[in-house]
Parts: sequence; C-alpha cells; structure tokens
Amino acid sequence: AQSVTQLGSHVSVSEGALVLLRCNYSSSVPPYLFWYVQYPNQGLQLLLKYTSAATLVKGINGFEAEFKKSETSFHLTKPSAHMSDAAEYFCAVSGSGGSNYKLTFGKGTLLTVNP
Amino acid sequence: KAGVTQTPRYLIKTRGQQVTLSCSPISGHRSVSWYQQTPGQGLQFLFEYFSETQRNKGNFPGRFSGRQFSNSRSEMNVSTLELGDSALYLCASSPHGGNGYTFGSGTRLTVV
Repeated sequence: AQSVTQLGSHVSVSEGALVLLRCNYSSSVPPYLFWYVQYPNQGLQLLLKYTSAATLVKGINGFEAEFKKSETSFHLTKPSAHMSDAAEYFCAVSGSGGSNYKLTFGKGTLLTVNP
Repeated sequence: KAGVTQTPRYLIKTRGQQVTLSCSPISGHRSVSWYQQTPGQGLQFLFEYFSETQRNKGNFPGRFSGRQFSNSRSEMNVSTLELGDSALYLCASSPHGGNGYTFGSGTRLTVV
C-alpha cells in the first residue's frame, strides 16, 4: 500500500522568497515519486519525477526536489518565488511494475505568492 | 505534439442518467489512466488501461467502467449517476505507465 502526506494545505510566501513544499510518502515497494502543479480550471502538469536515478531531481520552472529514503521524504523547493508560481501542488507516489502503475496523490498544497 | 485531449470539457447530467467521457492520449502512448478529483476526496485513481486491457483498478463501485480501443483512445462510463459523482474527471497517458503521466484538462461533470 502506498500513501502520501503533504504537510500544510496552504503555504504563503513573498515574491522572491524560498518556496518549500513538504511531502512524505509510504510505500511497500521502491517508489516512483512525482510533483504535479494544477492551475485553476486546468489539468495537472508534471513538474518533476524521481524514478530511482539521481536523488536530486531538477524540474521545470526552477523547481527541484530531493529524494531522502531515510526520511521517506520528497520535498519540493524553489529558491525564489514568482507570482506565476501561485497554484496548487500535488505530490504523488507509484510503484514500479505494471500492476503498480497507479498514482496515489497527497491532498495538495495551495501556494500563494504575495507581492 | 498534441497533448491529451478530453471531451467534452463540461457536462451537466441528471441523477440516474449515464454518461460517457472520452480521452485521446498522446500519440504512441499505450497506457491511459483515469482519476476523479473532488474537493472532499482529492485525486483518486479510477482505473488504468494498457493495450486494451484493464491493468489496475481503484476502489470505485461497478457503476464506473472504462475501456480502451486499439488506437489507445479510452472512454469511461458512469451509470446511474449520483449527486456525489459531480467531479473533475482527469485522463492521463504514458508510453508504458510508471514513468510519469501527462494529464488532459479534464471533464467537469455536474450531476443535478
């Protein structure tokens, strides 16, 4: 069984400040981990993914995340927030292998960027 | 390269009716998954199809069903609609599954 916990349903930062969105996972098999972003009235856009290669993963729009197995964490960071980063962010986990190819999502974190 | 296309974008149905949603994956993608998104339950996995076979299934009642065609296009059907079925239904495709999915913009279903 797999699960994802996103700490903080709402995070507010100032423009130019560090963005840190927290994600902890539970998985009985080696996990694949993902961060998706959702803008209002849109689908999900993949920001980055960890699939057992490098533990520090760089994604689009300046985001990155680090896989820490000992902490079962996959936190998302961005050094300097832009107004355009305001959106809802979802962390997701899946297993590897055909029968495990389904995403289990966290509840999401709404990011607000203040001018 | 065209993205994942879902039709229609919006639907309003009456309780008890049935509905069919359509998804055209990215060309070459053989895995198609469906998710339901609601404010209360968040994003929940419905099912995944790969090469016309259902490979994974979530914990939804039998009123929710799907299929995949030989060209990888997929449909999902919900019969005997309930008010609680009102949600954003998202389709996602992947070459084989597992390595990240590309999502469509979704179909917003409202049941009245």
